[in-house]
Amino acid sequence: DAGVIQSPRHEVTEMGQEVTLRCKPISGHNSLFWYRQTMMRGLELLIYFNNNVPIDDSGMPEDRFSAKMPNASFSTLKIQPSEPRDSAVYFCASSNPGGRAYNEQFFGPGTRLTVL
Amino acid sequence: AQKITQTQPGMFVQEKEAVTLDCTYDTSDPSYGLFWYKQPSSGEMIFLIYQGSYDQQNATEGRYSLNFQKARKSANLVISASQLGDSAMYFCAMREPESWGKLQFGAGTQVVVTP
Repeated sequence: DAGVIQSPRHEVTEMGQEVTLRCKPISGHNSLFWYRQTMMRGLELLIYFNNNVPIDDSGMPEDRFSAKMPNASFSTLKIQPSEPRDSAVYFCASSNPGGRAYNEQFFGPGTRLTVL
Repeated sequence: AQKITQTQPGMFVQEKEAVTLDCTYDTSDPSYGLFWYKQPSSGEMIFLIYQGSYDQQNATEGRYSLNFQKARKSANLVISASQLGDSAMYFCAMREPESWGKLQFGAGTQVVVTP
């Protein structure tokens, strides 16, 4: 089984540019989560979706961040314009509450974003 | 408010020894779930073990076991017979009901296993 797929794995961009991170959850999972990990702030939940609907976006740092989930197999996290402080590893995770009933989240490999 | 507390930022353990990683949590809901994840230097997040608040027995998965003390709101991870490959960051996390599977993570504990 393919796990959660994220692309790109690494992204280096210049301040002010638009960045789009992509995620394909595990087939059949109906919850999707976007996290950001930095040394200073640890692992932060940015936003999560259930059945493609955003449930809680209170973790999105500012209006420069937006996320969409147009269908059950694809989600994007966009930063526009990007700033150096956005440099972090961004993880996507998915879960299926009807699976093992543990709500275990399966994480993708992450996208390491560097904004110069 | 911080709901998951991991007080050990880092620790060393000798190969083949057991190590206990501390985790305390705060919730007023009687139904919740506790998770441990491992993050090696390669960066991926790996699920290790789960404990439900109503589970009567402590969870075990191979060399991992969870020392669940509900009254103390503590869910410590025990790794028995440490191996060099256990060197990683370990995160404790909690899920509360009505949270659509949302997890809150602690700050993590860095474990270094030495030969």
